[in-house]
Amino acid sequence: EAGVAQSPRYKIIEKRQSVAFWCNPISGHATLYWYQQILGQGPKLLIQFQNNGVVDDSQLPKDRFSAERLKGVDSTLKIQPAKLEDSAVYLCASSLVGGGLAGDDNEQFFGPGTRLTVL
Amino acid sequence: GQQVMQIPQYQHVQEGEDFTTYCNSSTTLSNIQWYKQRPGGHPVFLIQLVKSGEVKKQKRLTFQFGEAKKNSSLHITATQTTDVGTYFCAGLRSSNYQLIWGAGTKLIIKP
Repeated sequence: EAGVAQSPRYKIIEKRQSVAFWCNPISGHATLYWYQQILGQGPKLLIQFQNNGVVDDSQLPKDRFSAERLKGVDSTLKIQPAKLEDSAVYLCASSLVGGGLAGDDNEQFFGPGTRLTVL
Repeated sequence: GQQVMQIPQYQHVQEGEDFTTYCNSSTTLSNIQWYKQRPGGHPVFLIQLVKSGEVKKQKRLTFQFGEAKKNSSLHITATQTTDVGTYFCAGLRSSNYQLIWGAGTKLIIKP
């Protein structure tokens, strides 16, 4: 079974520039997550999609970050304009289901991440 | 800010010693998941605990979920070099089903 795919793996940009990340979840997984992981910290959930609807985007800085999952499959996360503090690894994860269900299908499968450096 | 506290931040052990990390939530959790992240890697799911007081074992790893569903622990018996990494808990809040991650505990094996 193919895992979660992300691209690019690395990106270096200057502050105030724009950047976009792409994620293709595991086939059949309804829930897709975007996380920001700053070095030495735990993942911080930015946005969670259930199919193509947003479940939780309470921690997404909406003035500069946007995300979409138009057909309920792959997703893009955009930052415009980038700031120095956006330097982090952006992780995409997917799960078969999600939300409040207590079953094993909540397991999240992570992609390799995109390491963003903002200069 | 995050509302799942995880301690300690780091733990240095000799190979063969035990390791424990603790997670405490200010609110009741619907369930809690544990993940392991190797240096330079991404988080990998270890286990999910759902029931109050639940205890699960995976070989040398023992996971517990507190009676009040507000805390959890991971204990590794007789650590090996392959155990090196950062262990994260992630709790699903009962109130709004938001998944909150702890800051992780980094397991370091002393040379």
